[in-house]
Amino acid sequence: GNSVTQMEGPVTLSEEAFLTINCTYTATGYPSLFWYVQYPGEGLQLLLKATKADDKGSNKGFEATYRKETTSFHLEKGSVQVSDSAVYFCALTPNTGFQKLVFGTGTRLLVSP
Amino acid sequence: EAGVAQSPRYKIIEKRQSVAFWCNPISGHATLYWYQQILGQGPKLLIQFQNNGVVDDSQLPKDRFSAERLKGVDSTLKIQPAKLEDSAVYLCASSLDGQTGAEAFFGQGTRLTVV
Repeated sequence: GNSVTQMEGPVTLSEEAFLTINCTYTATGYPSLFWYVQYPGEGLQLLLKATKADDKGSNKGFEATYRKETTSFHLEKGSVQVSDSAVYFCALTPNTGFQKLVFGTGTRLLVSP
Repeated sequence: EAGVAQSPRYKIIEKRQSVAFWCNPISGHATLYWYQQILGQGPKLLIQFQNNGVVDDSQLPKDRFSAERLKGVDSTLKIQPAKLEDSAVYLCASSLDGQTGAEAFFGQGTRLTVV
């Protein structure tokens, strides 16, 4: 079946540090891949997505590249801010039929000044 | 554009009681989802509607959970009777057409505590 595996948190960084949150997936065919973010007290919101191999999704300084050969979609940011503190979820939808988001367990990021 | 609206935000009930959650999706969105998010886990899909028809309810515990989307707009999710393990955040989401790659928009969720 379809599944997503994320690195466990929390990830604790100082402001301006480099961020990587690992995500790998298992799926048949070519799924679409997403990163969702949940800020404290708010709902899930889409951060970025990629719908085919080698695509790079980017938003708010975050980037992730769809790597088919390693079945990965790692999230990166060159310089994190305190306001980036949140829980980040990697997710996929299969490439057939109706969208059904399958989420990883989430990774909490804590950024200190 | 108004987002996905959910109510109530919080609910505390005793086990064996019943509870209902309400969701109003973004106007014009054909696809509506209910997810269950247990603390420390990622959201798990309970049921997916396309307009007012169910397209996936494979992970819905049908002996106690039910959901409907009358007229293809807003939706209710009911639990009867509740168990302690139902304590979770229940998320509603909608997307324009539910096709692969389409963005899903989430509400703030209803936090249910069963005591």
